[in-house]
Amino acid sequence: NAGVTQTPKFRVLKTGQSMTLLCAQDMNHEYMYWYRQDPGMGLRLIHYSVGEGTTAKGEVPDGYNVSRLKKQNFLLGLESAAPSQTSVYFCASGASGRNEQFFGPGTRLTVL
Amino acid sequence: AQSVTQLDSQVPVFEEAPVELRCNYSSSVSVYLFWYVQYPNQGLQLLLKYLSGSTLVESINGFEAEFNKSQTSFHLRKPSVHISDTAEYFCAVSPTSYDKVIFGPGTSLSVIP
Repeated sequence: NAGVTQTPKFRVLKTGQSMTLLCAQDMNHEYMYWYRQDPGMGLRLIHYSVGEGTTAKGEVPDGYNVSRLKKQNFLLGLESAAPSQTSVYFCASGASGRNEQFFGPGTRLTVL
Repeated sequence: AQSVTQLDSQVPVFEEAPVELRCNYSSSVSVYLFWYVQYPNQGLQLLLKYLSGSTLVESINGFEAEFNKSQTSFHLRKPSVHISDTAEYFCAVSPTSYDKVIFGPGTSLSVIP
């Protein structure tokens, strides 16, 4: 079992460029989440999904879009990157809201 | 709305000394409570959780946390820390009727040899 994997691990973008972060899980979890982690602010939820084909906004959704076309994959898109989106992005999955969330290793994104 | 407060952003402690990391939460509904640990350059891992039943929960590596409903707290304790406990610790709450978890800002535990 690979658990939760994230692609890529590092990325540098210029302002205005677009990119997609891929999250994959092999635990058959219904719930998947995208967070960003910034110093002193903990983890903030960007978007989440409670099943294939569903998505919902989290705490900080502006500037991001997501898709969950397959149960095992959760994609996070940045259409026009801004320096404020420089952060470490974590994907997580879980069986339900009351259960443990399993986190990926993170993607470190820098927007110049 | 729910919120989580971790009063100490950094906690330095000598090896083999006891430690307490404080967590308070605010919620108008019942919640599940979690502590996650993040080692350098890694994702978060669940340390322990409270769902129901006994208010004292323990982890496999010697940490424990006690749910105090009246004080809306879920403090994390360990009687004797090791160098390997150096990490960032996050308290989190999940309303029982919701689908997501709210994380606190984190406490950086540094164990000094």
